[in-house]
Amino acid sequence: EVQLVESGGGLVQPGGSLRLSCAASGFTVSNNYMSWVRQAPGKGLEWVSLIYNDGTTYYADSVKGRFTISRDNSKNTLFLQMNSLRREDTAVYYCARDGDTYFGMDVWGQGTTVTVSS
Amino acid sequence: EVVLTQSPGTLSLSPGERATLSCRASQSVSTSYLAWYQQKPGQAPRLLIYAASSRATGIPDRFSGSGSGTDFTLTISRLEPEDFAVYYCQQYTSSPSFGGGTKVEIK
Repeated sequence: EVQLVESGGGLVQPGGSLRLSCAASGFTVSNNYMSWVRQAPGKGLEWVSLIYNDGTTYYADSVKGRFTISRDNSKNTLFLQMNSLRREDTAVYYCARDGDTYFGMDVWGQGTTVTVSS
Repeated sequence: EVVLTQSPGTLSLSPGERATLSCRASQSVSTSYLAWYQQKPGQAPRLLIYAASSRATGIPDRFSGSGSGTDFTLTISRLEPEDFAVYYCQQYTSSPSFGGGTKVEIK
């Protein structure tokens, strides 16, 4: 079964760091485009970061220079390192996979909650 | 940066009615790079449409997508009770982005 399972969320103070993980099963993370998408409480979806199968990475302006997307092919896991966290980074963070032959996130994790508060 | 504007913000309809949701882009988007998602409370989004008009696996044929350039539409031909949810469009031209969403609620 194709599945994504996120972990690593929690409560962190402003200025702190957190590392999110997204463990994949049923497919190989390095073969697909993989993204992080977040949703602040009561708000819409916001794309955060993307890693291509060739390793090229992209970031939303709101997180550029603070967040880093990466993957560990041996663990088939996607990561999001979040530094210099701000209150406005509070959200549910989802990892998602793009389709094998098309643009569209066809597999999503259940989400992990990040709360930035003192 | 491509900005996607969805309208209306909320659509109040009855089961069995037709829903027409709009997604307008601030600059032209290739049809290959336009997708639609459904999200219900407490759940992750679900891919409905990719490449502007292709249904994802397992999506009923009452869902259809159309459009090109800067104007795209998601149509639900006859609303079923499980279709009441929030719908988002998304584009991949340059930096990916989502629209603000349209909530389809029961009238």
